[in-house]
Amino acid sequence: NAGVTQTPKFQVLKTGQSMTLQCAQDMNHEYMSWYRQDPGMGLRLIHYSVGAGITDQGEVPNGYNVSRSTTEDFPLRLLSAAPSQTSVYFCASSSRQLTRGYTFGSGTRLTVV
Amino acid sequence: SQQGEEDPQALSIQEGENATMNCSYKTSINNLQWYRQNSGRGLVHLILIRSNEREKHSGRLRVTLDTSKKSSSLLITASRAADTASYFCAVHQTGANNLFFGTGTRLTVIP
Repeated sequence: NAGVTQTPKFQVLKTGQSMTLQCAQDMNHEYMSWYRQDPGMGLRLIHYSVGAGITDQGEVPNGYNVSRSTTEDFPLRLLSAAPSQTSVYFCASSSRQLTRGYTFGSGTRLTVV
Repeated sequence: SQQGEEDPQALSIQEGENATMNCSYKTSINNLQWYRQNSGRGLVHLILIRSNEREKHSGRLRVTLDTSKKSSSLLITASRAADTASYFCAVHQTGANNLFFGTGTRLTVIP
């Protein structure tokens, strides 16, 4: 089925560990974004990309890196996990015009202990 | 922050009643979008209204947009228990390449 696939669905990390959250879409969307969702704070934009080879920072980029080597994939890297990064992470994609809305993945629930 | 802000934060109604949620934003926009999130799931796009539109309908959903007041409302008519979810507005700012989301309204529809 066409859509956005995120892996893993759940992850527990120890403080200081690094990991990569995977995101892949098969809709040939140019735009891809990473959001984090925390209770009472809605979704906050971490990083986004408007096409392969192009990335930019969102509202809360510190502690995260991204790359976009292909149209399909947009991995999010946590460099040195901190308890403040405990959150639910969503990847989303859209066509360039943003006129049909974002398609969201099902999320990754990350706990940093 | 350029987020939209939803009001109320939580809303509880009886099945069959109408539910209205409001969104205010701060800057000029290309469009405003509404999303739904069931507990523990990803967001699902409901409806998009462009900056030159004032009202839009989709099934039991009605969205209005007042760019002079920088506000939008989402009306769900004849609500059902299955409408229980969180609803978010998201703004596509003029000149931006992404969406900024509000904090959401938690709707509970009591059977």
